[in-house]
Amino acid sequence: NAGVTQTPKFRVLKTGQSMTLLCAQDMNHEYMYWYRQDPGMGLRLIHYSVGEGTTAKGEVPDGYNVSRLKKQNFLLGLESAAPSQTSVYFCASSYGLAGPREQFFGPGTRLTVL
Amino acid sequence: GENVEQHPSTLSVQEGDSAVIKCTYSDSASNYFPWYKQELGKRPQLIIDIRSNVGEKKDQRIAVTLNKTAKHFSLHITETQPEDSAVYFCAARSSGGYNKLIFGAGTRLAVHP
Repeated sequence: NAGVTQTPKFRVLKTGQSMTLLCAQDMNHEYMYWYRQDPGMGLRLIHYSVGEGTTAKGEVPDGYNVSRLKKQNFLLGLESAAPSQTSVYFCASSYGLAGPREQFFGPGTRLTVL
Repeated sequence: GENVEQHPSTLSVQEGDSAVIKCTYSDSASNYFPWYKQELGKRPQLIIDIRSNVGEKKDQRIAVTLNKTAKHFSLHITETQPEDSAVYFCAARSSGGYNKLIFGAGTRLAVHP
């Protein structure tokens, strides 16, 4: 099993450009999450999904959109990138069964917006 | 809103010493508290977790304690080794459901030989 994978690993954008980050998991997890990680601020939830076709806002959703057309994939879009979106982005997934479940993280995407 | 505070932000110890990282959470309904280790340039990985019906859990050199009354939980690493050097994140499960986690800001642990 590959677990949680993310593409691309690195990306440099100019202000105003758009891009999509792809997250894929092969563990048949119902729940998927997008986080951003900035120095000294831990991991902050951007958006999450509890199943195919559903998405919801997290703690810092502004400037991002998401889609989950297939259970195994969760896409994060930046329509008009800003320097404040320079960050490391992590995707995670977990089972949706009752009770707390471990979140499994992808390897991350380092995004720089100039 | 929900919040998790983590201290210290950096911790430096000698190999063989113990290390303690402390977190407090704001939502009294939180019932799950995982700890993640993140090595430089790598993904966060779960190292230990505790549920609210348990006061302490141990796994070899690492242990976690939970004080629900004080809304406080801690990570203890004994006999530290250089490979323990990493950033450690505590988290609390949000009472808002869907297995959402609220993370602390992280502790950078350096273990010196």
